[in-house]
Parts: sequence; C-alpha cells; structure tokens
Amino acid sequence: VQLVQSGAEVRKPGSSVKVSCKPSGGTFSSYALSWVRQAPGQGLEWMGRIIPLLGVSDYAQKFQGRVTISADTSTNTAYMELGSLRSEDTAVYYCATFGNGLDIWGQGTKVTVSS
Amino acid sequence: DIVMTQSPDSLAVSLGERATINCKSSQSVLNSSNNKNYLAWLQQKPGQPPKLLIYWASTRESGVPDRFSGSGSGTDFTLTISSLQAEDVAVYYCHQYYSTPSYTFGQGTKLEI
Repeated sequence: VQLVQSGAEVRKPGSSVKVSCKPSGGTFSSYALSWVRQAPGQGLEWMGRIIPLLGVSDYAQKFQGRVTISADTSTNTAYMELGSLRSEDTAVYYCATFGNGLDIWGQGTKVTVSS
Repeated sequence: DIVMTQSPDSLAVSLGERATINCKSSQSVLNSSNNKNYLAWLQQKPGQPPKLLIYWASTRESGVPDRFSGSGSGTDFTLTISSLQAEDVAVYYCHQYYSTPSYTFGQGTKLEI
C-alpha cells in the first residue's frame, strides 16, 4: 500500500489549506494515520492523527484549534486542514500510517504561505 | 512533551567504517507493562519522505539491511551502522511514540561520507 497526497498549494496569510491523503491499492486499515510537517531545512514535527475507521482524532497541543484531521471512509481519503496560516507554516506536509512505527509515508505536499 | 536530543548534529564517516548516532529522551519511553521501548529510527534522504528503519528501539523494519542496528533502553538509545555504504548518506531521526498524542522527534543527525 502507498499513500498518495494531493498536490502543492500556495496560500495567503490568514487563509486555510486542506491536504488529502489516500491509500492506493487498498483501504484504510485500523491503524492510525498521522500528519507530520517539515519546514524548509528543518526537522520533523508531528501535528496529529486519526484512526480513520473510528473517526477519532487527536492533536499536538501546538496545533490545537488550528488544525482539523478528518477521514471520509466512503472515498477512502484522509484530510488535514490547517487554518490561520502564517509564513512559518510553509513546509512539506506528510501523512504516514502507524503500524510498527510510522512505516508508510505519503510523498509529501508542499504548502507555501506567502502574500 | 518528551524532548528528544540527538548527538552529534552531523557526522562524517569513511566508507566501510562504523557510524554511531545517539538519542536521549527527557523521560523514559520504556513501557514497564510490556517491556517495550517506544522508540523508532527514521532515515531521510534529500527530496524523499522519511523511511522507518527500526522500531521498538531494536527491531529492524522488513527489508532494512542488517548493518543497521538499534540499541538502548529507557532514555538512552543508539543507532549503529556497522559498515557505512554510500547509499547511507542521509539525515537520521529518532522518534518517540510513548507519549500520545504528542509524538516527538529528535532534531536529526546528518550523516556524510
């Protein structure tokens, strides 16, 4: 199974972005799906996760109130929506499933926040 | 949040030599009920997503060469590459999944030839 993410996005400060993640060649398992971001030249930052089959999500405290992670089991697609964007949110956003650790990763979606 | 601190930040090793990367957590990631350390190692090459190498501190992911090994328990962990190959040039991250919903990563160690 691979995870396929939506394409690059450019947004203005204060707006929101919604990134999708879909397993190819399969369906969501009972495992959790996390979202991790990486700012240019920086390390990895975990944002939150969802168990798609249950629709239960939780978030890193840093992003509470600004991020929503959801899943549509009818289309087999997970989403990460980040609001009130600022320049510091410019990053590559990854989805990753948690089997034994974060073992399957999407290809990443570059989000650029610029006026 | 559990803070993960890696050392060194960067490392240059000759081909065929051993590479060692350390990771220290601000609190134990050992679950005493199952005796498992909730610690993984990831490898990231330029322009690629991270790849899982090691989970439960010492279990190699399927397909990972046996020159990669993980060790340690509690708060101190090590990733060892026994004989460095050119394709091992990458940034390596430790990752704790003990504390949910606050997974955290080390800052990364850049490994060069």
